[in-house]
Amino acid sequence: AQSVTQLGSHVSVSEGALVLLRCNYSSSVPPYLFWYVQYPNQGLQLLLKYTTGATLVKGINGFEAEFKKSETSFHLTKPSAHMSDAAEYFCAVSEANRDDKIIFGKGTRLHILP
Amino acid sequence: DAGVTQSPTHLIKTRGQQVTLRCSPKSGHDTVSWYQQALGQGPQFIFQYYEEEERQRGNFPDRFSGHQFPNYSSELNVNALLLGDSALYLCASRPVRTGDRDTQYFGPGTRLTVL
Repeated sequence: AQSVTQLGSHVSVSEGALVLLRCNYSSSVPPYLFWYVQYPNQGLQLLLKYTTGATLVKGINGFEAEFKKSETSFHLTKPSAHMSDAAEYFCAVSEANRDDKIIFGKGTRLHILP
Repeated sequence: DAGVTQSPTHLIKTRGQQVTLRCSPKSGHDTVSWYQQALGQGPQFIFQYYEEEERQRGNFPDRFSGHQFPNYSSELNVNALLLGDSALYLCASRPVRTGDRDTQYFGPGTRLTVL
């Protein structure tokens, strides 16, 4: 069975500082990996995804993530935080070529300090 | 190009009642999935519809049922509502045959409150 663990339910960073949100996954088959962002009272917006190929994936709003198979990790980073990045971030996994069912982590709320 | 749309945006029901939520997929998408997001939790997969049939189901009781129409839109029905059914219900769509098959696009959700 697949699962996702997000380390830290709340993360606070100063504006302009590095953002690092941690995600570890478990999957018995090649995974597809996703990061979604959710702003208050809104649905989910895809930030980036890894399916195959290059392990460093770039997404929207300056975010990127690196798939590390040996560490079963898919951490999300952004070099410089902006106030508008404050939101809930979800890491998710699905089975390659069969992503009808996405398994989500519990989410990490990112707080940006002025 | 309209994205995934859901209606209503908010809904208040009492225990024991039945509710129907609606979803229109993104243009060009023919597969619809439903997720339940309880407060402070990540979304949980309920089921997925393709070609008007339920194709895959998560760990939800039979009180949760759905339907997909020929125009690919979908309904989620929940019978005998419990307090624990209070959540944000998200609809997601993706294309099966062509296009960006790897990615599910989510709607804004329907906030259901059961009193």
